[in-house]
Amino acid sequence: GENVGLHLPTLSVQEGDNSIINCAYSNSASDYFIWYKQESGKGPQFIIDIRSNMDKRQGQRVTVLLNKTVKHLSLQIAATQPGDSAVYFCAERAGFQKLVFGTGTRLLVSP
Amino acid sequence: SQTIHQWPATLVQPVGSPLSLECTVEGTSNPNLYWYRQAAGRGLQLLFYSVGIGQISSEVPQNLSASRPQDRQFILSSKKLLLSDSGFYLCAWRDAGNEQFFGPGTRLTVL
Repeated sequence: GENVGLHLPTLSVQEGDNSIINCAYSNSASDYFIWYKQESGKGPQFIIDIRSNMDKRQGQRVTVLLNKTVKHLSLQIAATQPGDSAVYFCAERAGFQKLVFGTGTRLLVSP
Repeated sequence: SQTIHQWPATLVQPVGSPLSLECTVEGTSNPNLYWYRQAAGRGLQLLFYSVGIGQISSEVPQNLSASRPQDRQFILSSKKLLLSDSGFYLCAWRDAGNEQFFGPGTRLTVL
């Protein structure tokens, strides 16, 4: 089910480090996953997506890994920058019309 | 290109007063439309979604209602606000693809 209503975990990293944000999803039948970035006071923005027939997908400085065996999704950010500080949400497609969002992780990047 | 608008950006309302939040989308036709609520420091909770004019699906029982009077207009309403209705309200749209695009949000404070 949806993991809404839980307080956000926080990941603190130094500028230049690589960041790994993890997400556990609930539905083994989910076939599509998205990572969103939400800056304070703004709506979520698309980062990267992956279909269930893939294990890995790379974008600019970001990589998403999907482990269907344990229903785990991760977002790797290379050379993290202060501008990467935000809350990151994973989402799984639950049926044709809806996305189910994870709890979210707050990423804090120190200069 | 497609854009999504929400207004007002912020709203402070007394308990028991009515509510009307508006969302409009430009540059696309027959989108799926979504209303989410986000409590402070928490995840996204899907409230309503609509696949067409006059078609509304409610995800959780609550004090709110939604309407879609036009193809690209989605309205969130309440007859009498509760303190627990405070939060950040996000509208999103999706076309034939999988990704949902979010609006800038409305921050509602009920006093």
